[in-house]
Amino acid sequence: DAGVIQSPRHEVTEMGQEVTLRCKPISGHDYLFWYRQTMMRGLELLIYFNNNVPIDDSGMPEDRFSAKMPNASFSTLKIQPSEPRDSAVYFCASSLFGYGTEAFFGQGTRLTVV
Amino acid sequence: DAKTTQPTSMDCAEGRAANLPCNHSTISGNEYVYWYRQIHSQGPQYIIHGLKNNETNEMASLIITEDRKSSTLILPHATLRDTAVYYCIVRVLSSGSARQLTFGSGTQLTVLP
Repeated sequence: DAGVIQSPRHEVTEMGQEVTLRCKPISGHDYLFWYRQTMMRGLELLIYFNNNVPIDDSGMPEDRFSAKMPNASFSTLKIQPSEPRDSAVYFCASSLFGYGTEAFFGQGTRLTVV
Repeated sequence: DAKTTQPTSMDCAEGRAANLPCNHSTISGNEYVYWYRQIHSQGPQYIIHGLKNNETNEMASLIITEDRKSSTLILPHATLRDTAVYYCIVRVLSSGSARQLTFGSGTQLTVLP
């Protein structure tokens, strides 16, 4: 398996524009997580899914952020409208249900909002 | 999940063992200790985890004290590629528990040539 695949790797957009980040989890994994990393706040969990269903979205900063998982092999994180303070690296991770299972992270999407 | 305390930074000479400590004095009996690392510009990478017994894999060893209030991650022969931020995470692991990882600030390990 190629691991967790995120796209794009880098995104530069203007304030007010819509941004969509994409994630393909490892095949067979039933948990998917979206994290955001900034220098100030470190790695923060935004939302996670189990079997395509959102379980905990308490980390989503505000209504401008939304995440979907239409099927087991694809998830999106959308920011509309984007703001400069949304600039960060966004990571997607997936894991398999079961004791002791590890989470596998993608390479991240570096988002810059100017 | 229990809170962890790690030193902000550590240096280690290449080829020597790197010993990274973690304090988790409020750990509960059903909480595991996980270690992840993040090499610059990459996503976090799983290293090892354990409950109360010492664990070893191809990457590292995990030593957990008998009272489980602290642990040490050991990289037996550190290389320059081991330079990274190392995160110690304590979490419950059961069928009904949340599955997310909560990352702290971690320890920046710098392996020196």
